[in-house]
Amino acid sequence: DAGVIQSPRHEVTEMGQEVTLRCKPISGHNSLFWYRQTMMRGLELLIYFNNNVPIDDSGMPEDRFSAKMPNASFSTLKIQPSEPRDSAVYFCASSLTRNTEAFFGQGTRLTVV
Amino acid sequence: QKEVEQNSGPLSVPEGAIASLNCTYSDRGSQSFFWYRQYSGKSPELIMSIYSNGDKEDGRFTAQLNKASQYVSLLIRDSQPSDSATYLCAVNRRNQGGKLIFGQGTELSVKP
Repeated sequence: DAGVIQSPRHEVTEMGQEVTLRCKPISGHNSLFWYRQTMMRGLELLIYFNNNVPIDDSGMPEDRFSAKMPNASFSTLKIQPSEPRDSAVYFCASSLTRNTEAFFGQGTRLTVV
Repeated sequence: QKEVEQNSGPLSVPEGAIASLNCTYSDRGSQSFFWYRQYSGKSPELIMSIYSNGDKEDGRFTAQLNKASQYVSLLIRDSQPSDSATYLCAVNRRNQGGKLIFGQGTELSVKP
């Protein structure tokens, strides 16, 4: 299996621009998670989906953040407009069921200048 | 109180020693527990899962779970310099649709 695939690996953008991060979960996995990691705040859960349905988005920091999962093999995390404080590594992870271990993608390092 | 708490470290042990990493969690509804290892600049990698009270061993790693005390630990025997990394404790809440929360991580340094 190819594992969780994220794109792009690196993104540098200017403040105010729209940023879209992409994730392809492991085939057959029913749960998908989006995390943000910074030195100060560690690994924060932003939103998670079960069977393509958002379950809890209370971790999304502001209305500038949105996430979708249109089908079982694709999810996006969008930031519009982006701000310098959004600079972080964003991880996507998937798990077979809602109670089992999650596997992480390689992450997207976002820099907003 | 943080939902999942770990000592941030750094924890330094000599090569060949036992490293002990600890984690406490606040929600008694938590049902699944995981340990991940993260090397600098890399993504978290699963090393152990534990679902019931007691010990679970896998090679040099032993996970211990005590739900009554809301405590989970990871022991690494015969520590190697290649074990130097940040270890993340994760807790899954099935009663919240599978919410998976991570602690801040403990940095481990194994000295040759």
